[in-house]
Amino acid sequence: GEDVEQSLFLSVREGDSSVINCTYTDSSSTYLYWYKQEPGAGLQLLTYIFSNMDMKQDQRLTVLLNKKDKHLSLRIADTQTGDSAIYFCAESIGQAGTALIFGKGTTLSVSS
Amino acid sequence: DADVTQTPRNRITKTGKRIMLECSQTKGHDRMYWYRQDPGLGLRLIYYSFDVKDINKGEISDGYSVSRQAQAKFSLSLESAIPNQTALYFCATSDPSTLDYGYTFGSGTRLTVV
Repeated sequence: GEDVEQSLFLSVREGDSSVINCTYTDSSSTYLYWYKQEPGAGLQLLTYIFSNMDMKQDQRLTVLLNKKDKHLSLRIADTQTGDSAIYFCAESIGQAGTALIFGKGTTLSVSS
Repeated sequence: DADVTQTPRNRITKTGKRIMLECSQTKGHDRMYWYRQDPGLGLRLIYYSFDVKDINKGEISDGYSVSRQAQAKFSLSLESAIPNQTALYFCATSDPSTLDYGYTFGSGTRLTVV
């Protein structure tokens, strides 16, 4: 079945760039998403990319999509302590986005 | 008011009890979902519904049932709660006609089964 894989932990220093990687299996996914979850909070949509795009930039966030390798990455420039959170990669599956399948989440720890 | 409202926000219940988690939305979306989040496991799909007469099982439906009472309401029931159903539960809606499918999540219900 469909699967989304992420590394579980990433630790960076404040001011550095963070890169969170994700691989997915459904080649028919129309959209791929990045969600952020801060401690004790719900899900916040950070950004998404349409499957016919290679890159999307939104302020400090850059999403790269390699559709051939089914690889998605999220780069956070100038990482701040407030970026510490769990980041989930998700793919839409099925016709017209039947549902979202999530990865297990990457815990980003930012030290000052 | 939030677009997707889940009640209760927190609940502690005993093993064997029946419990219902409720979700209501003002988005006007036809599609509604229930997900479960466990630490280190991400979010997993329990059930989803595309309209009042449509109910579909997700990845982990065993031990759960749902009811779509109206377009705006989708409830999740645990018929006989067990401790390994302790988790954070999210309700979501979507609209396939919109850009990025318009997924909207509720704030979550934290359920503890003792």
